[in-house]
Formats: sequence, C-alpha cells, structure tokens
Amino acid sequence: AQSVTQPDIHITVSEGASLELRCNYSYGATPYLFWYVQSPGQGLQLLLKYFSGDTLVQGIKGFEAEFKRSQSSFNLRKPSVHWSDAAEYFCAVGALGGGADGLTFGKGTHLIIQP
Amino acid sequence: DTAVSQTPKYLVTQMGNDKSIKCEQNLGHDTMYWYKQDSKKFLKIMFSYNNKELIINETVPNRFSPKSPDKAHLNLHINSLELGDSAVYFCASSQVQTGNTIYFGEGSWLTVV
Repeated sequence: AQSVTQPDIHITVSEGASLELRCNYSYGATPYLFWYVQSPGQGLQLLLKYFSGDTLVQGIKGFEAEFKRSQSSFNLRKPSVHWSDAAEYFCAVGALGGGADGLTFGKGTHLIIQP
Repeated sequence: DTAVSQTPKYLVTQMGNDKSIKCEQNLGHDTMYWYKQDSKKFLKIMFSYNNKELIINETVPNRFSPKSPDKAHLNLHINSLELGDSAVYFCASSQVQTGNTIYFGEGSWLTVV
C-alpha cells in the first residue's frame, strides 16, 4: 500500500530564511508526486507536481521540489520565505495513469513564519 | 471562473439531520472525488467517480451516499448526522487520461452540534 510521511508536524522559519519541508513516500509503481498548500480556512492549492523527467521541478510562489528515487523523497524548498507562506503543506502520491484512485496524502507540515 | 465549486461553504446542523453538499466542476474532467479532512488536518479519500461510475468507496459509513447525475457534478448526501461527522469535506476532480492532476474545491466546513 502506498504511504506518505511528512516527518515534521510543525516548522518555524524566520522571514527571509530558506525553507525545506521533507516528504518520503512508499509506492510500488512509478510515483506521481505533488505538493499542495492550504492557507487557514481555504482549500488546497497545487504548488507543483512531478511526473517524470527532470527531477527538480519548479512550482508557483517560488517553490521547487526535488525527486530523489534512491531516497524515496520529494522535498519542497524555497530560498526565502515570506510571511504569506505561513500555511499547511501537504505532500501526496498517486499512480501515473492509475485511474480514479486519487491521491494518498501525508499528514501535513504546519509552517510558521517568524518576523 | 471557479474550476471546482462546492456549496455550501459552511454548514452548522444538529445531530440526526440529513444534509447535502453539492459539487460542480467546469474543467471537463472525467473523474470526481470526495475527500474528508479531520480535525487534525488529515486528508482521506472517501469516494471517486469516473464517468458517473463509482470507482472507490472507502470505509465510510453508509449514511454517506454520493450521487453523480453527470460527469460535471458529484453531490454528497449525509443521513442521520453524528458529532463525529464534523469535518471539512473537499470535492476534487481530475482527468485521468491526461496525467490525473487533482484539483480541489474550496471545501465545505460541516459542524454537527
């Protein structure tokens, strides 16, 4: 069965500092990986996704993520965070072309930005 | 131009009531989903429909019944609401043949009192 682990429940970062959110997945087939962000009281917004090809993918809002098959990881990074980045971040895995199985989500990382 | 829209956004109701949440997508997708987000923010799939056919029906009480009148709509009806049903319910959609990126609605905050 597929699973996603986000080991950090909370992360606090100073505004302007760099950020890395960790994500590890377990999946039997070729994974299809996503990062979503959820601001308080809002829905989920897609930040970026990885299907295949270049293992470093760029997303919206200055985020990027790197797929490392050997480590089963898909960590999210941003070089300089802004106060508006405070939110809940979810990593998810699905099957490429896997039909209507949907995604399996990690439990989320709550990002706090210090002024 | 809201891609996946769901109504109502907020719903407060008493135990034992029956309520529905409606969802519509204008992306032309062939697959729609309902996800539940609990108080700890954990997201779990409840149902998925592909071309109006039920594909996934996770371990959900049979008080929850999805209905898909057409590919663009997937409604969720909940009978005999219980306190534990309080959660955020997200509708989502995807197009399986073109990569299956899932797009979510804004969520429906259900509070059962």
